Amino acid sequence: DAGVTQSPTHLIKTRGQQVTLRCSPKSGHDTVSWYQQALGQGPQFIFQYYEEEERQRGNFPDRFSGHQFPNYSSELNVNALLLGDSALYLCASRVGTGGNEQFFGPGTRLTVL
Amino acid sequence: AQRVTQPEKLLSVFKGAPVELKCNYSYSGSPELFWYVQYSRQRLQLLLRHISRESIKGFTADLNKGETSFHLKKPFAQEEDSAMYYCALINQAGTALIFGKGTTLSVSS
Repeated sequence: DAGVTQSPTHLIKTRGQQVTLRCSPKSGHDTVSWYQQALGQGPQFIFQYYEEEERQRGNFPDRFSGHQFPNYSSELNVNALLLGDSALYLCASRVGTGGNEQFFGPGTRLTVL
Repeated sequence: AQRVTQPEKLLSVFKGAPVELKCNYSYSGSPELFWYVQYSRQRLQLLLRHISRESIKGFTADLNKGETSFHLKKPFAQEEDSAMYYCALINQAGTALIFGKGTTLSVSS
């Protein structure tokens, strides 16, 4: 089991563009959460997906949206990119929606120019 | 408000010295707290959680509700302990981790 995988590893976009990041959860996991980690900061919760629905959302604008597929993989979409969206985007998976250990992926480094 | 504070950005110690990484939290009720570690070029991984009361790689952390703290301790630091350490708690809904800003631990010989 490769654990949580994310693609791409790095991405460079310009302001105003749109981006899609992808995540495959650890085998046996059905819940995916996304976090944004700006430079020098701890990860910040964006949202969680379970049973193909957004279950909870952090303090992020509607420009950030997501999707979960029947195989539990997930996408994070960000529209109208801003310079401040430059960050490491982490995906974490777990079993169920609460209490269990979350396993993190290696992240996607997004740079917005 | 739910919040985690790690007051030190960087902690530098010599090999064999004791280590204490500080973590304070703000939470209504009984928090569930964690320490995560990120070694160079590796992904974020769970080091320990307070409910399991385990000692991992010689590290321990005790929840002090009176001081709202969950400091990470190790009696004798090793060079391989050099990493970024994040303290985190689970939010009220039990769905999301709330992280501190992290402390870089540097252990030199």
